Amino acid sequence: NAGVMQNPRHLVRRRGQEARLRCSPMKGHSHVYWYRQLPEEGLKFMVYLQKENIIDESGMPKERFSAEFPKEGPSILRIQQVVRGDSAAYFCASSPGAPRDTQYFGPGTRLTVL
Amino acid sequence: TQLLEQSPQFLSIQEGENLTVYCNSSSVFSSLQWYRQEPGEGPVLLVTVVTGGEVKKLKRLTFQFGDARKDSSLHITAAQPGDTGLYLCAGPDTGTASKLTFGTGTRLQVTL
Repeated sequence: NAGVMQNPRHLVRRRGQEARLRCSPMKGHSHVYWYRQLPEEGLKFMVYLQKENIIDESGMPKERFSAEFPKEGPSILRIQQVVRGDSAAYFCASSPGAPRDTQYFGPGTRLTVL
Repeated sequence: TQLLEQSPQFLSIQEGENLTVYCNSSSVFSSLQWYRQEPGEGPVLLVTVVTGGEVKKLKRLTFQFGDARKDSSLHITAAQPGDTGLYLCAGPDTGTASKLTFGTGTRLQVTL
């Protein structure tokens, strides 16, 4: 049973470019969460999605960041016009249900903005 | 905003020693989870504690949830180099239970 998959594992972008991070939840899981981990810091919640719906985006920066979880395909975290401060590890987690189900984390995407 | 403070931030010990990591909050949590994260990887769930006063054991690791459900501890007996990693506690947000609040983390280094 494959775990949560994220790709790419490493992503390098220049300032002003767009970054697209993908997350495929575990089989049977319909709830996806995105977290960001800045260097030497803990994980911070960004957004919680179910299929085709954003449930809670209280942790998302107001500009340049968006997330989706379409009916078919992976969840996507999109960062437009990246800046150096966006450099971080972005983790996706999934759960079979919510709100109190255990969240299982993927290996993360390390974004470096030059 | 619920906060989870972990102590110590860093811990470097020799193989065979015992250690305790603490996770404290001024807020009540319905449950707390402990994760271990290795460099370049995502957090891996170790345990979930739910009931105040609960103690759970996972081989050489002992987890305790405070009676008031505001704090938790992780005790490792006879640490091994394989225990090296970042230990994180996390709890569901009171308002939106699906959102996890993570602690500040304890980085453990176990040397031979």
